[in-house]
Amino acid sequence: DVKVTQSSRYLVKRTGEKVFLECVQDMDHENMFWYRQDPGLGLRLIYFSYDVKMKEKGDIPEGYSVSREKKERFSLILESASTNQTSMYLCASSQTTGINQPQHFGDGTRLSIL
Amino acid sequence: GDSVTQMEGPVTLSEEAFLTINCTYTATGYPSLFWYVQYPGEGLQLLLKATKADDKGSNKGFEATYRKETTSFHLEKGSVQVSDSAVYFCALVLTGGGNKLTFGTGTQLKVEL
Repeated sequence: DVKVTQSSRYLVKRTGEKVFLECVQDMDHENMFWYRQDPGLGLRLIYFSYDVKMKEKGDIPEGYSVSREKKERFSLILESASTNQTSMYLCASSQTTGINQPQHFGDGTRLSIL
Repeated sequence: GDSVTQMEGPVTLSEEAFLTINCTYTATGYPSLFWYVQYPGEGLQLLLKATKADDKGSNKGFEATYRKETTSFHLEKGSVQVSDSAVYFCALVLTGGGNKLTFGTGTQLKVEL
């Protein structure tokens, strides 16, 4: 089975801090994604990557950046955390750009910014 | 733009009741459609999918049929169990869309004894 592992289940940080959320997948997937999940808004795509060192903005990239130095690892960075970035963050990966390939999700990181 | 609309929850049912969760979509091209499920404290899991009109996706007793004429992909189950309590997300991806999913807002299902 595909395993997508997010480094923390719960994280508490302070306003202005630089925050790193890490995601690792073990199935050699080319594609990786970062979403945030908020009540009433569903999942919204922040950034995605189709290959090492490649990144594309999603629907809500403001205030975030990403890094993909290795194929299996995709990091989400909050450059200067703000309270409106308190949310559940979900990482996903998929095998190819083919439309029939499902995305596999990690268990999420619940981030609180104080 | 592309969008997915789901019925608002929570939906509360008794065990063995019939379930329908409505999903409609708006898309500029020809999407593939998905249902994902999120159990408490977990990430999302793919429940079922359909890639073209009139396809029926099915898994774990759940079914959904891709209806192009009504732009719908309603989720159904004939007899729900307490273990089906979760949040259900409808989603689409466009052909040539690079596997980028557009999600609905999710519908919480609560099944009681």
